Amino acid sequence: AQSVTQLGSHVSVSEGALVLLRCNYSSSVPPYLFWYVQYPNQGLQLLLKYTTGATLVKGINGFEAEFKKSETSFHLTKPSAHMSDAAEYFCAVSDFNDYKLSFGAGTTVTVRA
Amino acid sequence: ETGVTQTPRHLVMGMTNKKSLKCEQHLGHNAMYWYKQSAKKPLELMFVYNFKEQTENNSVPSRFSPECPNSSHLFLHLHTLQPEDSALYLCASSQVGGGAYNEQFFGPGTRLTVL
Repeated sequence: AQSVTQLGSHVSVSEGALVLLRCNYSSSVPPYLFWYVQYPNQGLQLLLKYTTGATLVKGINGFEAEFKKSETSFHLTKPSAHMSDAAEYFCAVSDFNDYKLSFGAGTTVTVRA
Repeated sequence: ETGVTQTPRHLVMGMTNKKSLKCEQHLGHNAMYWYKQSAKKPLELMFVYNFKEQTENNSVPSRFSPECPNSSHLFLHLHTLQPEDSALYLCASSQVGGGAYNEQFFGPGTRLTVL
């Protein structure tokens, strides 16, 4: 089974600053990769996904992530943080032949005015 | 209704009560999932149903009993719960096979409090 590591359980950024959330996975073959966001008392919403093709993936709300096979990483970035980005973010991975997702422990983002 | 819906959104129950959580997906998917999300703990996969057949039970106590009558509906029956079962219970669905990429769609969750 895949394992997913999200570095940093909590990230605090200033409004307008870069948001960088780190995700590394364990796999010997390219998996499917996902970032989800969860706002308080809500379910998880898909931000973006990598399946095949272009390694730089753009998602909703100005977020993007880059799949780096050599580093087994899928870090999430946003150039300029907005107050509405305060939420918990989960990285998830699945093998192409296993439909279950393995989730990271999550990173809580707070945005300072 | 669109996406994945869950009812009720909030539930408070005593340890001797019996209640059920309901999930419905309007996406035409063939797999459904129950997750438990507790404060400060990773997301825990509880049950998986694929084409209405239970394919995974991750050592969940028998006081949780899932039911999947068809590919659109999923229930979680609760009885004699413990206070540590208080959590956000999330339902998700996905399309399995046929070139699908395993993306799961989540409902808003049911916030369960056991007194």
